[in-house]
Amino acid sequence: DQQVKQNSPSLSVQEGRISILNCDYTNSMFDYFLWYKKYPAEGPTFLISISSIKDKNEDGRFTVFLNKSAKHLSLHIVPSQPGDSAVYFCAAIYPGNTPLVFGKGTRLSVIA
Amino acid sequence: DAGVTQSPTHLIKTRGQQVTLRCSPKSGHDTVSWYQQALGQGPQFIFQYYEEEERQRGNFPDRFSGHQFPNYSSELNVNALLLGDSALYLCASSLVGGWSYEQYFGPGTRLTVT
Repeated sequence: DQQVKQNSPSLSVQEGRISILNCDYTNSMFDYFLWYKKYPAEGPTFLISISSIKDKNEDGRFTVFLNKSAKHLSLHIVPSQPGDSAVYFCAAIYPGNTPLVFGKGTRLSVIA
Repeated sequence: DAGVTQSPTHLIKTRGQQVTLRCSPKSGHDTVSWYQQALGQGPQFIFQYYEEEERQRGNFPDRFSGHQFPNYSSELNVNALLLGDSALYLCASSLVGGWSYEQYFGPGTRLTVT
């Protein structure tokens, strides 16, 4: 049973527009959420995170929104750039620095 | 500042064989976690090592075992390989008690079992 779900396997966006990647989770005990980006032949790279006590965290072009009542989070990338083309993984963590629980990922393609 | 390194990059083994994968954590990190990423899936947690002991374990059989050395580097061993063990094996390091839950990943070892 998948605890972290990324229901869109792929997303295609024009350069300069907004990319919105979505993630749903089932367990309300998760207290920290992270987004990782992965290029081919490389390991996942940390992008941005959010604690369950917040509803928004922003870092440059990247913003993560958390809706705890809906058990939903989203990653916004504005403006999207061709270099953002990668697989994006949503991950969640329980209290106590437990292992990351990943979704299956969403492949983002930013078209020039 | 050296990041997480893993060796080898690629490996081809035959069913029934045994394999050892290696990982050196990011400088200053003391905890190593191993993940298996099958094709089209997200990484799945195998186990985590801290202070040379297995601290947590995911839903993987005993064929998967590990070790952490005094210098914090780690090995993942898989015995009696099955075709289904073909995957990308990722090592991640972190710092217990650190302010961030962030884990730093290595580039992975691509294991193919034939």
